[in-house]
Amino acid sequence: NAGVTQTPKFQVLKTGQSMTLQCAQDMNHNSMYWYRQDPGMGLRLIYYSASEGTTDKGEVPNGYNVSRLNKREFSLRLESAAPSQTSVYFCASSDKTGAPSGTIYFGEGSWLTVV
Amino acid sequence: DAKTTQPTSMDCAEGRAANLPCNHSTISGNEYVYWYRQIHSQGPQYIIHGLKNNETNEMASLIITEDRKSSTLILPHATLRDTAVYYCIVRVGSSASKIIFGSGTRLSIRP
Repeated sequence: NAGVTQTPKFQVLKTGQSMTLQCAQDMNHNSMYWYRQDPGMGLRLIYYSASEGTTDKGEVPNGYNVSRLNKREFSLRLESAAPSQTSVYFCASSDKTGAPSGTIYFGEGSWLTVV
Repeated sequence: DAKTTQPTSMDCAEGRAANLPCNHSTISGNEYVYWYRQIHSQGPQYIIHGLKNNETNEMASLIITEDRKSSTLILPHATLRDTAVYYCIVRVGSSASKIIFGSGTRLSIRP
């Protein structure tokens, strides 16, 4: 059971560099999400996608772009990385089907450090 | 989705019941209460959810007040492995929407 898979798990970037975090789910879920978690803090929603072809801003979208490539994949791009974007990034998916309805499934996280 | 308020931290003795409160005073009639927990830096894991009736599963019990403005997650016999951050969220279960987790409650289980 792969569930939600994120790559890479660890990445170090220099300020100003760009990178894309990849996320894929194999549960046929419609909804996908990207969160960030700073040390000792809770999860903050960056962007979400209710269905293939749609994306919406979350709580902290500035500095990020997303692409819902197809139903399985939802990528997060940092165009010009800043030290303030050092964080752990979690991808998640959810749907109305499955047991129990509305459960959110998370990936293992991607640790990003911007120096 | 409605916002929730939880205490920043709590502690509980091993073997005792851990009772974690959550306020969601602006909850709508079709919004469910969900609880998740996050151990170390892993992705959060589902614990339990409910609409208006109390719920119980193999992990925990969920007590929702009659007016639905607050709820309590009960871990009946806490163990050291229950040390985690617990998140209470409210959402419409069957549709996509912003899912806001907040800061959660850091639960420490003492031996």
